[in-house]
Amino acid sequence: GAGVSQSPSNKVTEKGKDVELRCDPISGHTALYWYRQRLGQGLEFLIYFQGNSAPDKSGLPSDRFSAERTGESVSTLTIQRTQQEDSAVYLCASSLVGTGGTEAFFGQGTRLTVV
Amino acid sequence: AQSVTQLGSHVSVSEGALVLLRCNYSSSVPPYLFWYVQYPNQGLQLLLKYTTGATLVKGINGFEAEFKKSETSFHLTKPSAHMSDAAEYFCAVSVSHTGTASKLTFGTGTRLQVTL
Repeated sequence: GAGVSQSPSNKVTEKGKDVELRCDPISGHTALYWYRQRLGQGLEFLIYFQGNSAPDKSGLPSDRFSAERTGESVSTLTIQRTQQEDSAVYLCASSLVGTGGTEAFFGQGTRLTVV
Repeated sequence: AQSVTQLGSHVSVSEGALVLLRCNYSSSVPPYLFWYVQYPNQGLQLLLKYTTGATLVKGINGFEAEFKKSETSFHLTKPSAHMSDAAEYFCAVSVSHTGTASKLTFGTGTRLQVTL
């Protein structure tokens, strides 16, 4: 597609349920990133993929969070046993790899509300 | 490790007035610096970036920023604010190396309000 696509755009879930968020990056972008934006705060890095491997998972807040990526395509971020503090906008971005200062292109995000 | 500090979580200017959004960074290696804008209910859009070379960088919508190594700053300016500039602005730093991806470290953002 023309840009980074995320689905669903909004998700309301009950505390304790599992959720899966999807990101479809720009075609040809080897790098894919997940960020979390909590209300009134900046963006927190969660994880990045280079191809289908994840060299940096340092931002995942707990073992309830996991992510995977199929080749250089779709990625899913899974949150198990959701808690209210997981409520946030989850943003996905993709970029080319190999040049310094490469621009990351962002999707519109998934707004997750845990009730 | 890198970090970014944005001074002022909210800035209000009159239409036609100068816009100045402040960003200071910390990095142990030469940084790459970015400004992103986020309109309500939308993703982030790149305004401009500094990689190497000229320290005054021009971006979209009349914005520009100057990289000042001695001050570790990358402030964003626009000579004349427009109502459509009302949005949240994020400064970010990365230290990517050739062959790796550009993990961004963001500031907490500055919400710009433009009044008549």
